[in-house]
Amino acid sequence: KQEVTQIPAALSVPEGENLVLNCSFTDSAIYNLQWFRQDPGKGLTSLLLIQSSQREQTSGRLNASLDKSSGRSTLYIAASQPGDSATYLCAPWADKLIFGTGTRLQVFP
Amino acid sequence: GAVVSQHPSRVICKSGTSVKIECRSLDFQATTMFWYRQFPKQSLMLMATSNEGSKATYEQGVEKDKFLINHASLTLSTLTVTSAHPEDSSFYICSATTGEIGYQPQHFGDGTRLSIL
Repeated sequence: KQEVTQIPAALSVPEGENLVLNCSFTDSAIYNLQWFRQDPGKGLTSLLLIQSSQREQTSGRLNASLDKSSGRSTLYIAASQPGDSATYLCAPWADKLIFGTGTRLQVFP
Repeated sequence: GAVVSQHPSRVICKSGTSVKIECRSLDFQATTMFWYRQFPKQSLMLMATSNEGSKATYEQGVEKDKFLINHASLTLSTLTVTSAHPEDSSFYICSATTGEIGYQPQHFGDGTRLSIL
């Protein structure tokens, strides 16, 4: 059974910092991994999708890497801004998306 | 692009009421839609997967007679919580994808906050 762990659970930083959010999963037999952000009381916004054959994906200030064999993915956020404040979720896909409990990020001015 | 609209955003009703939640893909055809539930401080849990024109596939522990799913078109899926009780109070979120499952991203709606009194 796939289990997904995200570290840290919460993070509070001043704006401008470069951030690293970690995701680990127990079953490496995945097709892809998706990163999302969730604002309080809202649905999910898809940030990046990495296929199992890829090592990383980039979108603007976001970069996600995937090391499938070791069951790890990392989301890098460059030059963080207050608007980045949200909960970030990773979800590997095998036959369904399995979500971690997320990293709650607060970026203060 | 890839917008998923979910309606209503919030429902408060009495115990025993049936509640219908709609999930629409606005600018793409969704071959597959998913329904998730999220309890406070917990991660999202998949309830069921539905393909257009087919019966939904439910996850273990999810009562199919309690949570009725209809996916009658490529842009609309509905979840009906029948005879809802306080323990059904939760945040329900749908997602949709097109193309081959597992190779395309899932796009999520804004969720429905269901509160049963």
